[in-house]
Amino acid sequence: QQPVQSPQAVILREGEDAVINCSSSKALYSVHWYRQKHGEAPVFLMILLKGGEQKGHDKISASFNEKKQQSSLYLTASQLSYSGTYFCGTERGNQFYFGTGTSLTVIP
Amino acid sequence: SQTIHQWPATLVQPVGSPLSLECTVEGTSNPNLYWYRQAAGRGLQLLFYSVGIGQISSEVPQNLSASRPQDRQFILSSKKLLLSDSGFYLCAWSATSGRDEQYFGPGTRLTVT
Repeated sequence: QQPVQSPQAVILREGEDAVINCSSSKALYSVHWYRQKHGEAPVFLMILLKGGEQKGHDKISASFNEKKQQSSLYLTASQLSYSGTYFCGTERGNQFYFGTGTSLTVIP
Repeated sequence: SQTIHQWPATLVQPVGSPLSLECTVEGTSNPNLYWYRQAAGRGLQLLFYSVGIGQISSEVPQNLSASRPQDRQFILSSKKLLLSDSGFYLCAWSATSGRDEQYFGPGTRLTVT
């Protein structure tokens, strides 16, 4: 039931763009995105809800395709501070499932 | 504003010893509370979920248990730790399930030796 993310890892130069994908085999009612830096707790980035409602980070955008059960996170003009592991997550009933994670490294 | 506390920050325990990790939330009432475990270099696994006092849902069978004795207090326990219990334990809260973001505590790094 865990969402699958791709790519597993990506290395970018500062200023480059990246797309992280999240795919589920089950219906998605909402998709969350979090970033976790090494040794720290995850931090909320964005929530996407069925019907197009979104809330979250001003400088990060994401899409949610309910029919395809997929979501994508778009990181543009990446900064060094964007480095970390990105997790998508989805709720099903009262349970919450995080994705497999994508490690993103931004280098100067 | 809301804050979430976890303690201890790090813990080294021998196999077979008991465990008690505590999480408290301030600045909100009737939060949904979560316990996650993260093995080294891995993703987050939901262990327990609570929508109210005394209401605990377990996602994965294990030798761990959770309790919610007060509205904003969530406790993770074990009677006998296993080597496989090592990991980074994270407590989180949200206003509702699914539609609201989760806020995480600083975590407890547990090493079972």
